[in-house]
Amino acid sequence: GAVVSQHPSWVICKSGTSVKIECRSLDFQATTMFWYRQFPKQSLMLMATSNEGSKATYEQGVEKDKFLINHASLTLSTLTVTSAHPEDSSFYICSASSLADTQYFGPGTRLTVL
Amino acid sequence: DAKTTQPPSMDCAEGRAANLPCNHSTISGNEYVYWYRQIHSQGPQYIIHGLKNNETNEMASLIITEDRKSSTLILPHATLRDTAVYYCIVRVGGGNQGGKLIFGQGTELSVKP
Repeated sequence: GAVVSQHPSWVICKSGTSVKIECRSLDFQATTMFWYRQFPKQSLMLMATSNEGSKATYEQGVEKDKFLINHASLTLSTLTVTSAHPEDSSFYICSASSLADTQYFGPGTRLTVL
Repeated sequence: DAKTTQPPSMDCAEGRAANLPCNHSTISGNEYVYWYRQIHSQGPQYIIHGLKNNETNEMASLIITEDRKSSTLILPHATLRDTAVYYCIVRVGGGNQGGKLIFGQGTELSVKP
């Protein structure tokens, strides 16, 4: 199957700082990338959908000014958590698909905000 | 959006077939059934998907009922490494949103020696 990577795999930051997470499709061009968040013992929650070269579409209740998404190329999307607080601590997972095809997921990024 | 219903947990003996059911009674004619699994602290792994016909690949088989209101994922010879949460998802949307996936709670499969 297609390979999606994320970097970093884990990050610890201080409250009030910003954190950037990268999502890359390694062997295919991703026209659409998705960002999910998963709290302990819960299912994945879709945060936003981004298409290359377009503004992201955010799910209801997700603050677009707090979670900045950039999808500048067909192989890279970034999620920036701005002014992070402890309640933003979570497992962030991206997925990528090509032309509405199957979504392939990255390994996830564990964010801990102190 | 079509919703799915899965049992919260199942056990399976190692080497036996694991049959995971899923109900999706409100599925629309052009919606696919997707199965993913998530091993603890990892990203979900794609398993298989189908529209109407039964599908098989190297990982599993997918049996979809004729009325498409339910399906079963079959792992033919379960191993300990198949222990995971299995998600049955009906894919919504399309076009420039690329068909977003809405995850339910899934079935936690425990394969026991």
